[in-house]
Amino acid sequence: QSVLTQPPSVSGAPGQRVTISCTGSSSNIGAGYDVHWYQHLPGTAPKLLIYVNTNRPSGVPDRFSGSKSGTSASLAITGLQAEDEADYYCQSYDSSLSGVLFGGGTKLTVL
Amino acid sequence: QVQLVQSGAEVKKPGAAVKVSCKASGYTFTSYGITWVRQAPGLGLEWMGWISPNNGDRNYARKLQGRVTMTTDTSTSTAYMELRSLRSDDTAVYYCARGGYSNGYDYWGQGTLVTVSS
Repeated sequence: QSVLTQPPSVSGAPGQRVTISCTGSSSNIGAGYDVHWYQHLPGTAPKLLIYVNTNRPSGVPDRFSGSKSGTSASLAITGLQAEDEADYYCQSYDSSLSGVLFGGGTKLTVL
Repeated sequence: QVQLVQSGAEVKKPGAAVKVSCKASGYTFTSYGITWVRQAPGLGLEWMGWISPNNGDRNYARKLQGRVTMTTDTSTSTAYMELRSLRSDDTAVYYCARGGYSNGYDYWGQGTLVTVSS
């Protein structure tokens, strides 16, 4: 099945750690395709947060980290800050679709 | 600095076509692919397709094939996305972004709102 599944929402208090999962299948993450993560604030363009599973672009704080194992990937955010409140999307390639998939998105609420 | 600047908002009637432009600057246009992504109101990001300004290779999302055409003009470092036979569910913010599926999309345009309404 060619989908990337993310939890619709996660939440945490300032300073806490949260993780966002991205579950795929043997035609995308499980096939070895890399996962990228984006942060999307309303009214702005998405921002690349993690590329190729674990790498942070210049300027992205090290509070953000990514991992990948098997058919899943995760984004971890430590030391939560109010400014982290946004939608987060994972992205990978799917060989069955011969195209790119985005996860459904996860809304992070900082309590 | 790398910039992708998109054309302005559009209002179209069902059945019409829209063409959105994305002018790149600050880098060698032919060295990176251009990807188009859209977000309908209340929904998530949807990949529409990719084009290589270097050789014109394209890959479109299956659900849009036959209705979408992506082109580039290397003389002006501009990418275009045309969507035809517009329907109400094509109402969305359309983004261009630099890059391909392998390394992620590192720079994005500001987005273009396309509203399809009778």
